[in-house]
Amino acid sequence: AQTVTQSQPEMSVQEAETVTLSCTYDTSESDYYLFWYKQPPSRQMILVIRQEAYKQQNATENRFSVNFQKAAKSFSLKISDSQLGDAAMYFCAYRRGSGGSNYKLTFGKGTLLTVNP
Amino acid sequence: ETGVTQTPRHLVMGMTNKKSLKCEQHLGHNAMYWYKQSAKKPLELMFVYNFKEQTENNSVPSRFSPECPNSSHLFLHLHTLQPEDSALYLCASSQEIRSWDREKLFFGSGTQLSVL
Repeated sequence: AQTVTQSQPEMSVQEAETVTLSCTYDTSESDYYLFWYKQPPSRQMILVIRQEAYKQQNATENRFSVNFQKAAKSFSLKISDSQLGDAAMYFCAYRRGSGGSNYKLTFGKGTLLTVNP
Repeated sequence: ETGVTQTPRHLVMGMTNKKSLKCEQHLGHNAMYWYKQSAKKPLELMFVYNFKEQTENNSVPSRFSPECPNSSHLFLHLHTLQPEDSALYLCASSQEIRSWDREKLFFGSGTQLSVL
């Protein structure tokens, strides 16, 4: 079974600084997708960024980028120029690329990010 | 506004009560999901519906009973719950479970359930 581990329950960053959130995963699959979701105090989960395992290039979305290390099964999220609105719980998630039940997302426990003004 | 609306936002119920959670999506999606978010635990997928048909029951106790009358509405009927069922229940939708962008889940804001 796939597992997703976020080893940092909490992180903090100063406004305008850069922070990196860690995620590791365990899978025997070769085809899969990885995601970072953000859950602000409003509780609504929002997709931040996704990475296809077959792509070597790291995904970027504006101030958000990932460091995808397939061999190490590591998928970290870097937030540059942190803003107060980035404060939220961040979840790393995994999904199989093919096969049965490949619509299932496996989530980590989350990292609570605080942004200090 | 995400297009996925959940009501009520908060719910407190006794163990002998019967209540229902409601989810409605205005995105034209065909797949809907119930997730459970407990403190200090990863989100757990509970049920999946695709074109109104249940495609997944992730070993959920029978005291949780889902209902999907159409592709836009999803209910979670609750009865004789236990205190450990207290959690945030999130609804999500996607185009369908087999489409190429099915991982683009759109979530509601959840119902925070407390069982006394």
